[in-house]
Amino acid sequence: AQSVTQLDSQVPVFEEAPVELRCNYSSSVSVYLFWYVQYPNQGLQLLLKYLSGSTLVESINGFEAEFNKSQTSFHLRKPSVHISDTAEYFCAVSGFWGYQKVTFGIGTKLQVIP
Amino acid sequence: DTEVTQTPKHLVMGMTNKKSLKCEQHMGHRAMYWYKQKAKKPPELMFVYSYEKLSINESVPSRFSPECPNSSLLNLHLHALQPEDSALYLCASSQTLLATARPGELFFGEGSRLTVL
Repeated sequence: AQSVTQLDSQVPVFEEAPVELRCNYSSSVSVYLFWYVQYPNQGLQLLLKYLSGSTLVESINGFEAEFNKSQTSFHLRKPSVHISDTAEYFCAVSGFWGYQKVTFGIGTKLQVIP
Repeated sequence: DTEVTQTPKHLVMGMTNKKSLKCEQHMGHRAMYWYKQKAKKPPELMFVYSYEKLSINESVPSRFSPECPNSSLLNLHLHALQPEDSALYLCASSQTLLATARPGELFFGEGSRLTVL
């Protein structure tokens, strides 16, 4: 079975400052890793994903995440946040084989302060 | 615009009521999911349908009854719920259920917020 641990439940950050949301995963087999974002009163949206290849993956709105196998981490970063980035961010994992069963972390609430 | 539509957005029901949540997608996806999300918790998988057949039931109590009438529709029938069942119920869809086919690309609806009195 796979699992993810998000180390911070809330992260306050000033607008235009950089941010890092931490995620560690646990699995005995190869996995796919994802970050989803949930804006207030909305469903979840896939932000970015790591499948294979380059360990640095990027989203269209300036976020990036780096897969680090030795540290079993998949931290999400953005060099300069905007008010509109205020949301809940979920790290997630699924296995390579069988059914697409996505397991979510507990979530990190990013609060951007003007 | 969300491509997965859930109705109703809010539902209040008593413990003896029978109600249903509905979900619709028109992306041609063949896998559809129900997740339950309680406050300050991650979404938890309840059921998965693949090609209109129930493929995964995560040991959900029988007071929750899923139904997939066709490839675009997914229902969740509710009966004799408990107050602890109050939560946001999220519907999602994906192209297929196979992990290797577009992994992680789940499309979520906005959810139905259920309150059980």
